[in-house]
Amino acid sequence: SQLAEENLWALSVHEGESVTVNCSYKTSITALQWYRQKSGEGPAQLILIRSNEREKRNGRLRATLDTSSQSSSLSITATRCEDTAVYFCATTGGSNAKLTFGKGTKLSVKS
Amino acid sequence: ETAVFQTPNYHVTQVGNEVSFNCKQTLGHDTMYWYKQDSKKLLKIMFSYNNKQLIVNETVPRRFSPQSSDKAHLNLRIKSVEPEDSAVYLCASSVNQDTQYFGPGTRLLVL
Repeated sequence: SQLAEENLWALSVHEGESVTVNCSYKTSITALQWYRQKSGEGPAQLILIRSNEREKRNGRLRATLDTSSQSSSLSITATRCEDTAVYFCATTGGSNAKLTFGKGTKLSVKS
Repeated sequence: ETAVFQTPNYHVTQVGNEVSFNCKQTLGHDTMYWYKQDSKKLLKIMFSYNNKQLIVNETVPRRFSPQSSDKAHLNLRIKSVEPEDSAVYLCASSVNQDTQYFGPGTRLLVL
C-alpha cells in the first residue's frame, strides 16, 4: 500500500496565483521529497525536507513538514504556465529505505 | 551531458511477445531503479540494482526481469507481455535515497 498520499487529485489556478498541494503519510519517515512530472518527462525532485526540518524553500517553492500530523505541503507562489505538471510527494523511512510515491496531484496553470 | 537515458520512447506490441527496454545513466550513480507508472500516474517500484546486485525486488510477475551489464546500465525485459503491462516504465538512478534522477520513460502499449 502507498505510504504517502496527496490530498487532491487535480487543481487549477490562473497564472500569477499561489497554490498549495498537500500530502499525508502513514508511518514514521526519515525524509519527504516533492517531485514534479511534466507531460512526457520523468519526475524531477523539487525539494527534500528531512524529518527534523519544518520548512524548506527553493525559489518560488516552499515545503513544510509536520511530523505530528504526518503531513506536508508544497506551496508555489506566482505560478507560471510551465508549472503545469503532476506533483508527487515521496517518503523514505518506515520498514525499509525505499522511496514510496504518493498518488500525485495534477496542477493546471492557465494563462 | 549527464542524465538518465531510455530507449525506446514508445513501443507497441502484441500479447505474448517479448520486449526489452534500455536504460543508461551517465551520472556515475551506484543504484538504478525501474518503476511502472499506470494510467492514473501511480508510480510503483519494480526493481533496484546496486553494483549488479538486486537489492529490492517487489512482487512483480516473473515475466519481468532486470538485466545489468554494468552499474551504468539497467535494462528491463518482459518475457511474454500481457494487456495489463501497458504502462509507462521509468528508469531512475541515485547515489542514495535522497534524490532519484529519472529518465523520460518508455511507454508500452500491449494490443
